[in-house]
Amino acid sequence: NAGVTQTPKFRILKIGQSMTLQCTQDMNHNYMYWYRQDPGMGLKLIYYSVGAGITDKGEVPNGYNVSRSTTEDFPLRLELAAPSQTSVYFCASGEEKLFFGSGTQLSVL
Amino acid sequence: DQQVKQNSPSLSVQEGRISILNCDYTNSMFDYFLWYKKYPAEGPTFLISISSIKDKNEDGRFTVFLNKSAKHLSLHIVPSQPGDSAVYFCAAKRPGTYKYIFGTGTRLKVLA
Repeated sequence: NAGVTQTPKFRILKIGQSMTLQCTQDMNHNYMYWYRQDPGMGLKLIYYSVGAGITDKGEVPNGYNVSRSTTEDFPLRLELAAPSQTSVYFCASGEEKLFFGSGTQLSVL
Repeated sequence: DQQVKQNSPSLSVQEGRISILNCDYTNSMFDYFLWYKKYPAEGPTFLISISSIKDKNEDGRFTVFLNKSAKHLSLHIVPSQPGDSAVYFCAAKRPGTYKYIFGTGTRLKVLA
């Protein structure tokens, strides 16, 4: 049972670089989410998707882009990395109950 | 604007005693609430949920209470065990969406 799989687990970026965080789920959930966790700040919703081809902004979308071409995959793109994007990123899927991946620790230096 | 608040950043409890974690919310439209547990370097895992049409839900050692008039929910863990030491998050959503808003978390330490 894979559930929600995120890659990579760790990444260090230089300011201005770009990268894509990958997320895939095998539970056939319509809803998928990207959250970031900063120390003492809880989980903030970046973007979410209600199904293939449909995405919407969450609480903190600036600096990020998403796409949802299939039910399984929901990648998160950082175009011009900034130090403020240093955080732990969690992908999740589900409706009445969310299933989370194990997280990506990203540092932007 | 923090719609879901967990005002206690940390809590320490003796093994075997009750742990009570609190969560307050500001939006009276929220209709469904979740509690999650998170260990270091892992993703959050689901614990228990409650609908706004109920005031209590129980699952083994975990009970969630909802007081709609006070816009307050609490998670009771009885008896507390050292393995319960983790960060606990509450989350809430409005009707018609599964867009969950999370609180800032409470770190529970259960002392053996």
